[in-house]
Amino acid sequence: DTGVSQDPRHKITKRGQNVTFRCDPISEHNRLYWYRQTLGQGPEFLTYFQNEAQLEKSRLLSDRFSAERPKGSFSTLEIQRTEQGDSAMYLCASRGTSGRALYEQYFGPGTRLTVT
Amino acid sequence: SQKIEQNSEALNIQEGKTATLTCNYTNYSPAYLQWYRQDPGRGPVFLLLIRENEKEKRKERLKVTFDTTLKQSLFHITASQPADSATYLCALTSTGGSQGNLIFGKGTKLSVKP
Repeated sequence: DTGVSQDPRHKITKRGQNVTFRCDPISEHNRLYWYRQTLGQGPEFLTYFQNEAQLEKSRLLSDRFSAERPKGSFSTLEIQRTEQGDSAMYLCASRGTSGRALYEQYFGPGTRLTVT
Repeated sequence: SQKIEQNSEALNIQEGKTATLTCNYTNYSPAYLQWYRQDPGRGPVFLLLIRENEKEKRKERLKVTFDTTLKQSLFHITASQPADSATYLCALTSTGGSQGNLIFGKGTKLSVKP
């Protein structure tokens, strides 16, 4: 499968614990996005990478959130001291630089986080 | 601030009929607009993109219109099938969107009954 993959698919954690999610984009895509989606809402933008550089962060990304893309390939999103309000689906998407991939974002299956 | 509204949370139609979904936006002049499909527990899947200088675009049974005067896009599925049942999301690139991050509507959940 050459699509975007995310790991884990589901994560249940207790409030106050730290969690880390991983995203592997389509290999030739240099642009990577993280979104958060809660029930009944559309995805909301969190942060954007071009290669290894984090170029934009949403105000939704509090100090407890950090994202990295160390070698310009896979990315990780860490949430420290989780709160119940962090429960959501975390989606990763990648985008290329030519053809349809110039505009279209390819989404992974998401990581569903439940904070108890 | 930029806002996108998909007027119907849910739309129920009979198989074979045409489904029409609406997307309105404010405080924005997008260069293009996209439609995605999302199935439960899955990530969105790109369907169609329409540019500001295009009035209409078609792909198989799908048709999208874009009226920049009304600030509205309509998404049509003709000869609908139960397999078309899903949530459909409208998305715009945010202002200064050289980064390409998308602003999504809440989505419309379409149910096609046999």
